[in-house]
Amino acid sequence: EDQVTQSPEALRLQEGESSSLNCSYTVSGLRGLFWYRQDPGKGPEFLFTLYSAGEEKEKERLKATLTKKESFLHITAPKPEDSATYLCAVQSHNAGNNRKLIWGLGTSLAVNP
Amino acid sequence: DTGVSQNPRHKITKRGQNVTFRCDPISEHNRLYWYRQTLGQGPEFLTYFQNEAQLEKSRLLSDRFSAERPKGSFSTLEIQRTEQGDSAMYLCASSFPEQPQHFGDGTRLSIL
Repeated sequence: EDQVTQSPEALRLQEGESSSLNCSYTVSGLRGLFWYRQDPGKGPEFLFTLYSAGEEKEKERLKATLTKKESFLHITAPKPEDSATYLCAVQSHNAGNNRKLIWGLGTSLAVNP
Repeated sequence: DTGVSQNPRHKITKRGQNVTFRCDPISEHNRLYWYRQTLGQGPEFLTYFQNEAQLEKSRLLSDRFSAERPKGSFSTLEIQRTEQGDSAMYLCASSFPEQPQHFGDGTRLSIL
């Protein structure tokens, strides 16, 4: 069964204190791994797609990496506005044509000024 | 790009009543998805449309739930005879083929 596990559940950082969020996955044929950001009361906001091991994507203070078993979201010198829940999701080749996403529970990040 | 629009943003109803939500996807996105999300959880897949065709429904979607996308543009999700367990955020997403899904801000349903 396809499964996504995120850790830690919650993370509190000081402004400027870099860290990493983990997303471990078990999937029968990875089509893609996705990172989203979700603010309270809002829908998930797309950040990155990763397709193959070794791939990396960057956007401002965020960098996503992918191995055959996990992905990391590195946050460099975070600011309070980076506070949000970060969700990881995977698409499996076995999902057929519908491309539905299998989601983790998310990491709730709080960045203190 | 106006984004995915969902209405209403909040719906409060009494148990047993019927409710209907609307989703307007990003223009020309032919794929549309409905998900349900409860507090502290990731979204759960409910159903998927390609153009006007509903191609898959989750086992989570009981007979009380029905979704339509009549002309391949906007979609509606109806819940009949609502129950307490239906309280959740209902999210809609749309995409082009092989492109990431983009989400609306959801409809939060509260059952009294």
